[in-house]
Amino acid sequence: EPEVTQTPSHQVTQMGQEVILRCVPISNHLYFYWYRQILGQKVEFLVSFYNNEISEKSEIFDDQFSVERPDGSNFTLKIRSTKLEDSAMYFCASSEVTGRTNTIYFGEGSWLTVV
Amino acid sequence: GDSVTQMEGPVTLSEEACLTINCTYTATGYPSLFWYVQYPGEGLQLLLKATKADDKGSNKGFEATYRKETTSFHLEKGSVQVSDSAVYFCALRDQGAQKLVFGQGTRLTINP
Repeated sequence: EPEVTQTPSHQVTQMGQEVILRCVPISNHLYFYWYRQILGQKVEFLVSFYNNEISEKSEIFDDQFSVERPDGSNFTLKIRSTKLEDSAMYFCASSEVTGRTNTIYFGEGSWLTVV
Repeated sequence: GDSVTQMEGPVTLSEEACLTINCTYTATGYPSLFWYVQYPGEGLQLLLKATKADDKGSNKGFEATYRKETTSFHLEKGSVQVSDSAVYFCALRDQGAQKLVFGQGTRLTINP
């Protein structure tokens, strides 16, 4: 069964450093997403991406964050100048189309620890 | 805004016990409702979904019915197994929205 893959599974970084989290969405999917889950809290939406541009973003997704689809398969989340509060599990996801009935498929997550 | 509230965890049951995990929601439109499951060391997997009122989603012995009148989507299973130990997330996706809105998750542990 096709799946969303994410790398790295775990990254430890110094506060103030830049981090890039990578994802390979399911190959025929057109919509891509990033979510995050701070330990003990809800899974929160960060951003959705379609046709090489951001289609929706949350208040969390400020200028510190950016997303990119650098080639035909990868989808990346960049966090500039990381803060302690950026420590979280980051989930990449994709869906074939958008619409309230369509399923969003998630990767296994990248656990980011900022020290 | 839209929100999802799940029962507080963790929940610990014995094998073959009945399970109910409560989920209620508020939405501005007519959402679809989902249950996702996260097994230890794995990502979020769709367990089941329902897209309109009175629909029942089912998978792996789990069921949930979309109740518009009570704005609920409770997850049930008649006889749980040790392998059902995981974190369960209720979520909604509203009309015109691309994002899923999640509940806080409920950790379920099944003892043999």
